[in-house]
Amino acid sequence: AQSVTQLDSHVSVSEGTPVLLRCNYSSSYSPSLFWYVQHPNKGLQLLLKYTSAATLVKGINGFEAEFKKSETSFHLTKPSAHMSDAAEYFCVVSEASVDSSYKLIFGSGTRLLVRP
Amino acid sequence: DGGITQSPKYLFRKEGQNVTLSCEQNLNHDAMYWYRQDPGQGLRLIYYSQIVNDFQKGDIAEGYSVSREKKESFPLTVTSAQKNPTAFYLCASSTSHLGIGLSKNIQYFGAGTRLSVL
Repeated sequence: AQSVTQLDSHVSVSEGTPVLLRCNYSSSYSPSLFWYVQHPNKGLQLLLKYTSAATLVKGINGFEAEFKKSETSFHLTKPSAHMSDAAEYFCVVSEASVDSSYKLIFGSGTRLLVRP
Repeated sequence: DGGITQSPKYLFRKEGQNVTLSCEQNLNHDAMYWYRQDPGQGLRLIYYSQIVNDFQKGDIAEGYSVSREKKESFPLTVTSAQKNPTAFYLCASSTSHLGIGLSKNIQYFGAGTRLSVL
């Protein structure tokens, strides 16, 4: 079974400094990986998706993630944090089920705090 | 304006009462999902449906029921058998497993319903 581990439950950065949110996955084959963002009391919004076409994936709002198979990692980065980036971030792996549907396996989330 | 609409935004349940959460989508997606989110945890799958009139249990289906009579609607009933229903409930949809390219297995989420027990 596939799983996702988000290594930090909380990350705090100052506005204008880089963001690094860490994610490790376990998978028996080439996975589909996602990052979603959730603002308070809101649904989840897709930031980016790893499609196996390129190891460096660019997403919305200046975020990007790098797939490193040797390290089984898919860390999310942004060069310069903005106050509006404060939210909870979920690393997600997609798992194919026996009925050919795709199930999403969620990490436990990382809450990003941005200090002025 | 395409999207997923969940209602109500807030819901309160009395002891022994069944309550139904609504989820409607106009994205023409075949697959729909219900998740439960508890504080400090990721989302856990309750039920999912790939086509009309068919649905499957997820990881935590006990105490919940669903129906899928129309493509655009996937209501979730939280029954009195669910002893700890207080949570944030999220509905999602996606193109079917037969979708192609980048759209396959991307799920789009509603804004959620927060359920509390009186």
